[in-house]
Amino acid sequence: AQSVTQLDSHVSVSEGTPVLLRCNYSSSYSPSLFWYVQHPNKGLQLLLKYTSAATLVKGINGFEAEFKKSETSFHLTKPSAHMSDAAEYFCVVSDTGRRALTFGSGTRLQVQP
Amino acid sequence: DGGITQSPKYLFRKEGQNVTLSCEQNLNHDAMYWYRQDPGQGLRLIYYSQIVNDFQKGDIAEGYSVSREKKESFPLTVTSAQKNPTAFYLCASNLAGSTDTQYFGPGTRLTVL
Repeated sequence: AQSVTQLDSHVSVSEGTPVLLRCNYSSSYSPSLFWYVQHPNKGLQLLLKYTSAATLVKGINGFEAEFKKSETSFHLTKPSAHMSDAAEYFCVVSDTGRRALTFGSGTRLQVQP
Repeated sequence: DGGITQSPKYLFRKEGQNVTLSCEQNLNHDAMYWYRQDPGQGLRLIYYSQIVNDFQKGDIAEGYSVSREKKESFPLTVTSAQKNPTAFYLCASNLAGSTDTQYFGPGTRLTVL
């Protein structure tokens, strides 16, 4: 079975400083991995997606993530945080057995002025 | 505009009543999904459907029921058997298979009084 662990439930950064949201996954095959963002009381929006092409994936709003098979990690980064980045972020792994997604528990990002 | 709509945005029901949440998509997607989100937790899969007139239980199907009579519609009924129904419910869809990005609706917040 696939699983994903988000290592931090809350991350707080200052505006203009780098963002690092950590994610480790467990999968018995080469998975597809996603990062989604959710603003308060909203649906989820796809930030980026890895599907065994380039290991460094660029997404929207300046975010990117690097797939590291040896570390089973898929950490999300952004060089410079903006106030509008404050939201909940979910790391997600595909489950080809059920053709559904398995979500991490989420990381709430706070951006301080 | 193409997308997924969920209605209503907020729903209040008395304990013991069944309630049906609507999910409609005009993206011509084959697969549709229902997730439940509780505070501080990721999304958990309730039911999913890969094709019309067929659906499968997810991880937390007890107390819920669905139907898939039309490609564009996947309503979720929360029955009185669901012990703790107050939550945020999200519907999603995609073309086919778990490696394809899922697109999410704006969600329905159900509160049982």
